[in-house]
Amino acid sequence: GIQVEQSPPDLILQEGANSTLRCNFSDSVNNLQWFHQNPWGQLINLFYIPSGTKQNGRLSATTVATERYSLLYISSSQTTDSGVYFCAAASNYQLIWGAGTKLIIKP
Amino acid sequence: KAGVTQTPRYLIKTRGQQVTLSCSPISGHRSVSWYQQTPGQGLQFLFEYFSETQRNKGNFPGRFSGRQFSNSRSEMNVSTLELGDSALYLCASSLGTVSGANVLTFGAGSRLTVL
Repeated sequence: GIQVEQSPPDLILQEGANSTLRCNFSDSVNNLQWFHQNPWGQLINLFYIPSGTKQNGRLSATTVATERYSLLYISSSQTTDSGVYFCAAASNYQLIWGAGTKLIIKP
Repeated sequence: KAGVTQTPRYLIKTRGQQVTLSCSPISGHRSVSWYQQTPGQGLQFLFEYFSETQRNKGNFPGRFSGRQFSNSRSEMNVSTLELGDSALYLCASSLGTVSGANVLTFGAGSRLTVL
């Protein structure tokens, strides 16, 4: 089945810094989403982005489907951005998850 | 509109017992999918229900089962609980299936501890 890999596994930044999170997937997908999990476990959908580029405030995402990767950009980080970021790809009627990137933003 | 509601939020069971978790999707959503999250295995797909039919099931033993009612509410059941079943169980709802072009909205989760 499809493999989803995220990097880096951990990222520690100062408030105000920019960051790029990467998601590689091993096969073509028709559904790729980015999520943020807060410290209480709530998963929040950030982007549905099987291809192309989207922006939402300080966050943006780009998926290059032909090269099987997606990037999540966070600009001007805030402490509330801390948490774990997951990408998930749909394949064979399942949603396959990456292991996540744990982001810590220090004030 | 109301979000995805999962109950109970927290529960403690002992080995050998069984548990039932409930998920009420967003009104109008016909798909409910379930996920298990543990520190060791991360997030794993359990199963998806769409219009009361199970679409697919992840690599979990038969002790894990579910169903969906005509109002799209879903339940999952775990029988003969094991220590390793301790996890955060998350459900998500969407208009269509997870394999389609559909955005998933998650509930807050049910945290199960097995003693």
